[in-house]
Amino acid sequence: GQNIDQPTEMTATEGAIVQINCTYQTSGFNGLFWYQQHAGEAPTFLSYNVLDGLEEKGRFSSFLSRSKGYSYLLLKELQMKDSASYLCAVLDSNYQLIWGAGTKLIIKP
Amino acid sequence: IAGITQAPTSQILAAGRRMTLRCTQDMRHNAMYWYRQDLGLGLRLIHYSNTAGTTGKGEVPDGYSVSRANTDDFPLTLASAVPSQTSVYFCASSDSPGTSGGPDTQYFGPGTRLTVL
Repeated sequence: GQNIDQPTEMTATEGAIVQINCTYQTSGFNGLFWYQQHAGEAPTFLSYNVLDGLEEKGRFSSFLSRSKGYSYLLLKELQMKDSASYLCAVLDSNYQLIWGAGTKLIIKP
Repeated sequence: IAGITQAPTSQILAAGRRMTLRCTQDMRHNAMYWYRQDLGLGLRLIHYSNTAGTTGKGEVPDGYSVSRANTDDFPLTLASAVPSQTSVYFCASSDSPGTSGGPDTQYFGPGTRLTVL
């Protein structure tokens, strides 16, 4: 079966750095996405990785290792507005997104 | 403003009633999707459409039907609602899955919160 694992909840301090991990087992791989979802709102696109390595976009970076079935999202200089759920999703061989349950990130002052 | 709209925002429905959730996008995207999101679970695909006139079943299609008469609209119908269909429903769209060579990012509507009693 297809499976995406990520921690249920994480807590971090404002101004700090946090890394959210995602491991996956899917039938085929055509890319990995990270989305941010604030409570009561729709998911919004953060990043996309299809090749191994690090993609940096401002305070957010995403890393992929296809051989290990592993990705992480790195958030730097945390702000209170970063409190949200972060969703990992893999595009499988049928070009359908398989979603993890999401990681709820709590930022404390 | 470009994007995806969904209606209604929320709805309380008696079990056994028929309900259609509406979704409209103005980005001229070829592909559209319906997901449900439940606490503790990832987004689960109900139905999808890769282009106008075609539809396909996702992971959890039972009890739901869709149509794609044109590019912009992708309604989701619950023929006879049951309490297990209580959920938040998101519609999404993307350009052309598997063909663009790019990330094929999905963009989401604001969601419909449905409660079936």
